[in-house]
Amino acid sequence: DQQVKQNSPSLSVQEGRISILNCDYTNSMFDYFLWYKKYPAEGPTFLISISSIKDKNEDGRFTVFLNKSAKHLSLHIVPSQPGDSAVYFCAASDQTGANNLFFGTGTRLTVIP
Amino acid sequence: SQTIHQWPATLVQPVGSPLSLECTVEGTSNPNLYWYRQAAGRGLQLLFYSVGIGQISSEVPQNLSASRPQDRQFILSSKKLLLSDSGFYLCAWSDTPVPPRGYTFGSGTRLTVV
Repeated sequence: DQQVKQNSPSLSVQEGRISILNCDYTNSMFDYFLWYKKYPAEGPTFLISISSIKDKNEDGRFTVFLNKSAKHLSLHIVPSQPGDSAVYFCAASDQTGANNLFFGTGTRLTVIP
Repeated sequence: SQTIHQWPATLVQPVGSPLSLECTVEGTSNPNLYWYRQAAGRGLQLLFYSVGIGQISSEVPQNLSASRPQDRQFILSSKKLLLSDSGFYLCAWSDTPVPPRGYTFGSGTRLTVV
């Protein structure tokens, strides 16, 4: 059972425009969310995170929004750059005990120069 | 600083052959260690995690096993590989169950079972 879902397997965006990657989750116990970026043949690397006590977290060109009532989060990249082309994974955890990060299936972002 | 090493980077194995993937972490002690698999069209699936030497928790029933013979060494094994074992295997570590920046991943092993 996939508790974290990324329904768009791919996304193409023009350089300079905004990229919006979406993620939905089903477990209301999740209280911490992360985005990872992954290049081919490499391990995922941490990008940005958000706690459930917030609805927005910003780091440079990257902003994550959390809508707890909808169990939805999104990653905004503005402006998008060709180097942002990668697979982005959403992940969630229940910090009260689960020794696990639950990952989505990933969205492949292609930024077109 | 902490580093994680995982090898080999790629592996092609025939069906029915054994498997051994190794992961080591440097620069920390008593890390939590994890094995994930990314199969085609699926997310990162947790296979095993370990909070200490000899302590292994399995998240999904499968044809694989894990061992932690030393504090900073984590091994993924199989006695007989299946075609369905093909995928991208990732080792990861953390110093707490879920640290603020999540887990730190190795560079992965691409396993193709033929």
